[in-house]
Amino acid sequence: TQLLEQSPQFLSIQEGENLTVYCNSSSVFSSLQWYRQEPGEGPVLLVTVVTGGEVKKLKRLTFQFGDARKDSSLHITAAQPGDTGLYLCAGAHNNNDMRFGAGTRLTVKP
Amino acid sequence: DAGITQSPRHKVTETGTPVTLRCHQTENHRYMYWYRQDPGHGLRLIHYSYGVKDTDKGEVSDGYSVSRSKTEDFLLTLESATSSQTSVYFCAITSRDTDTQYFGPGTRLTVL
Repeated sequence: TQLLEQSPQFLSIQEGENLTVYCNSSSVFSSLQWYRQEPGEGPVLLVTVVTGGEVKKLKRLTFQFGDARKDSSLHITAAQPGDTGLYLCAGAHNNNDMRFGAGTRLTVKP
Repeated sequence: DAGITQSPRHKVTETGTPVTLRCHQTENHRYMYWYRQDPGHGLRLIHYSYGVKDTDKGEVSDGYSVSRSKTEDFLLTLESATSSQTSVYFCAITSRDTDTQYFGPGTRLTVL
């Protein structure tokens, strides 16, 4: 059983559309990270959120940490083909206990 | 770029043979981690190290051992590889004073 559930598992959209992916858990985390991974490479950190209710923006990406620090969402505005990749969320209890979701595989078609 | 390299990047081996994967970092990070990534499971922690000769088990440690004889190198050993250990293996380090982990480029291991 996955501690962190990501949805949807797969998402295929057209360039210019908006999308939201979700990361849900029954556990409370001290922080939550979002990573993006491309084929043949390691995950690359996008953002870390720490405070319940926190919202962070990274250009067209908006990240939100739930008030109870159990869940998070990633919203992409006007998706581009370069956004294609595997998006992973990871919740940390401490340095040595970080749990990853299985990921959302996003394809943005031109 | 957190200065992490992994070797080899690809390896094909046969069931029952020993395999050692190497993770090398250049920035003197105390914490280092080994994960495996499989479809539908995400990344799962195998072992981690919190200093030279200080290691501990993660979520999926059976069949794996690790060693850290110096700060910059963290070795993962499969004593007798099995087909279920076919996977992509990632090394990671933790940036100082944060929970954030930075990953190496991965090693794709195939056990026939």
